[in-house]
Amino acid sequence: NAGVTQTPKFQVLKTGQSMTLQCAQDMNHEYMSWYRQDPGMGLRLIHYSVGAGITDQGEVPNGYNVSRSTTEDFPLRLLSAAPSQTSVYFCASSYSGRGAFYEQYFGPGTRLTVT
Amino acid sequence: AQRVTQPEKLLSVFKGAPVELKCNYSYSGSPELFWYVQYSRQRLQLLLRHISRESIKGFTADLNKGETSFHLKKPFAQEEDSAMYYCALKFSGNTPLVFGKGTRLSVIA
Repeated sequence: NAGVTQTPKFQVLKTGQSMTLQCAQDMNHEYMSWYRQDPGMGLRLIHYSVGAGITDQGEVPNGYNVSRSTTEDFPLRLLSAAPSQTSVYFCASSYSGRGAFYEQYFGPGTRLTVT
Repeated sequence: AQRVTQPEKLLSVFKGAPVELKCNYSYSGSPELFWYVQYSRQRLQLLLRHISRESIKGFTADLNKGETSFHLKKPFAQEEDSAMYYCALKFSGNTPLVFGKGTRLSVIA
């Protein structure tokens, strides 16, 4: 299994540009999520999904859109990039439902710089 | 509101010294608690979870419901323990994991 994969690894955008960060998993996990990691702020949840066709907002959703048309893929779209969105983005997946057994598996991250 | 607090941004210890990374939470119910670790330039990975009560790489963590804490401990720090550590909570059902802000552990030789 490849686990959780993310592309690209690095990206530089100009203010106002749009782009999509890709995330895929091959573990048949129902639950997927996007986090951003900033120094001193830890990991903050952007959006998450408990299954195909279902998405919900996290702590910091503004400026980002998601969709979940398949179980495997969960792309994150930046609508109009701003310097405040410079960050490292992590995608994660796990089995869904109640229980403490559901370890979240993380992707390798995408380092995004907006100039 | 549910919250996870890691009061130390940075913790430096000497090799062989004991380590304790603090984590406190605010939640009235029974949370599911985890510690994740991120080594330099690597992805986050699960270190341990309270439900299994296991010891990984010499680390242990005990849930103290009275103090609402889940501190991570290791009796003798090693240089390879230097990393970013995140405490995380899953409050109920299909709710997402909530992470603390993380503590960077630096083990000095």
